[in-house]
Amino acid sequence: KAGVTQTPRYLIKTRGQQVTLSCSPISGHRSVSWYQQTPGQGLQFLFEYFSETQRNKGNFPGRFSGRQFSNSRSEMNVSTLELGDSALYLCASRRQAGDEKLFFGSGTQLSVL
Amino acid sequence: GENVEQHPSTLSVQEGDSAVIKCTYSDSASNYFPWYKQELGKRPQLIIDIRSNVGEKKDQRIAVTLNKTAKHFSLHITETQPEDSAVYFCAAPMFSGGYNKLIFGAGTRLAVHP
Repeated sequence: KAGVTQTPRYLIKTRGQQVTLSCSPISGHRSVSWYQQTPGQGLQFLFEYFSETQRNKGNFPGRFSGRQFSNSRSEMNVSTLELGDSALYLCASRRQAGDEKLFFGSGTQLSVL
Repeated sequence: GENVEQHPSTLSVQEGDSAVIKCTYSDSASNYFPWYKQELGKRPQLIIDIRSNVGEKKDQRIAVTLNKTAKHFSLHITETQPEDSAVYFCAAPMFSGGYNKLIFGAGTRLAVHP
């Protein structure tokens, strides 16, 4: 069974640009969560999608948005990039929203110059 | 508020010693407490978890204890080995609008020296 797949693995952007990250969950998993990881800040919750609807949201500005498709694949978009957006963005899936076990992808490393 | 506090942020031990990492959570409705291990350049992986109806769970050299009254839970690693070197994250669910989101601590960087 394939794990959580994130693309691309690395991204370099400049300030003001926008970026889209992609996540394919484990087959059969319908919930996808996104986290931002920066040194010293741990894993900060961005949002969670289940059945194409955002079910939970973290404390991030509106520049961070996402969506989920009918096949449970999810995308995350960051508009008007800032230097502070440089981070590892991790996607995680679970069978249902509210299920306990979360499985992570390898992440997309975003660098904003 | 939504908060999971984790201590210490760094921990250095000699091979064979024990390591203990502690977390506190704020949501009294939290009922599930997982620990994740993230090796350098790799994804976080679940290593052990505990539900609120038990006070302790063991899996070989690792164990987790839970004190619901104090809202504390801890990870214990005995007989540490160099391959235990990694960043460890605790987490707890926070409930909102009928759904829960898993909130993570800031992480503990464990270094095991041969």
